[in-house]
Amino acid sequence: DSGVTQTPKHLITATGQRVTLRCSPRSGDLSVYWYQQSLDQGLQFLIQYYNGEERAKGNILERFSAQQFPDLHSELNLSSLELGDSALYFCASSEGQRNEKLFFGSGTQLSVL
Amino acid sequence: SQQGEEDPQALSIQEGENATMNCSYKTSINNLQWYRQNSGRGLVHLILIRSNEREKHSGRLRVTLDTSKKSSSLLITASRAADTASYFCATVLYNFNKFYFGSGTKLNVKP
Repeated sequence: DSGVTQTPKHLITATGQRVTLRCSPRSGDLSVYWYQQSLDQGLQFLIQYYNGEERAKGNILERFSAQQFPDLHSELNLSSLELGDSALYFCASSEGQRNEKLFFGSGTQLSVL
Repeated sequence: SQQGEEDPQALSIQEGENATMNCSYKTSINNLQWYRQNSGRGLVHLILIRSNEREKHSGRLRVTLDTSKKSSSLLITASRAADTASYFCATVLYNFNKFYFGSGTKLNVKP
């Protein structure tokens, strides 16, 4: 058990809808990273937060947004969902800003029908 | 991929054999890491090698790094059926804010 909790584990929704994925980092970790894993594109970095502030952005679509709350949990919001957004979404956490290892949650499997 | 690419995409070997997978990347890095993913699960950190290191060992794992060629290799010796998983390299840039993962090597170790 990595100590990173993601909910829900599975999510099935329809095109055009909006969903929220939640991540609780390991106790004491200040950095949260979001990744998207799909069959044809591997693991894509979306966004990173450190202690409530956005620190880095990857290939995150404008329809997606995220935030990290004062209690350090993070939420990834996906809106106007398309079939191609179906993927496994991972959250990972690490202790500080200069991080040497990531701890991954077990992911949220999103299916857009 | 945003940064690295693993090779081969898939590897099938017999238990007891060695498994070698490679990773190539594009830009200068602070360190390179290898992670393992069992089917449908989260990734688990295996080993880290810094840009000023050339080789590192951890148990049955041996990692090499060639910064001039921008490549790394992961060797798993005396493989076991339990090593069956996907293996990913992650390159960490100097600002530490981005960990870029390759598309992975799927390893199947037959008992």
